[in-house]
Amino acid sequence: DGGITQSPKYLFRKEGQNVTLSCEQNLNHDAMYWYRQDPGQGLRLIYYSQIVNDFQKGDIAEGYSVSREKKESFPLTVTSAQKNPTAFYLCASSMVDGYGYTFGSGTRLTVV
Amino acid sequence: GDSVTQMEGPVTLSEEAFLTINCTYTATGYPSLFWYVQYPGEGLQLLLKATKADDKGSNKGFEATYRKETTSFHLEKGSVQVSDSAVYFCALSVSGGYNKLIFGAGTRLAVHP
Repeated sequence: DGGITQSPKYLFRKEGQNVTLSCEQNLNHDAMYWYRQDPGQGLRLIYYSQIVNDFQKGDIAEGYSVSREKKESFPLTVTSAQKNPTAFYLCASSMVDGYGYTFGSGTRLTVV
Repeated sequence: GDSVTQMEGPVTLSEEAFLTINCTYTATGYPSLFWYVQYPGEGLQLLLKATKADDKGSNKGFEATYRKETTSFHLEKGSVQVSDSAVYFCALSVSGGYNKLIFGAGTRLAVHP
């Protein structure tokens, strides 16, 4: 079955460490996205990518980095520059025209 | 800029009650409108959508009508079940080059037996 897979489901980070969240899709979607969700808030866009080797900053890109070396993969790195990284992170993908928007099951990141 | 406003939750209902969750939007273009549902600890699932004015999206007993004159897309269900307890997000997508979704803050629904 086609879908979008995020791993790990839970992730713990020490202060000052970088961590990378994985997102893989086998839907043949061109576009991929990373969102951050905080309790009681909506989703805020971190980064998005429409094609391989190209990506754009979203509304809250500071302290995050991404790469898009393969169509199927869009990993997100939460760097030590992100002051408040504890959140639920959601990856999504879609066709370039926006159809078929599909979400992964999320990664909960906690700073310890 | 484009934005979505949802009624604040939580909304607490008894089983078989009527549900309305209000959603209004602001958009410069001609948006498509969506309702997503999120169950605890999971990602978002598309519940229904409407792509033009007066369209009605429906799924699993939920309905929403795209009202351009009032810039609204309110979610309704005639008889809720305990299994409907979740967080509901209204979202819009404005076509034209890039179709990122813009989300409301979400409304938590709790249905009690």
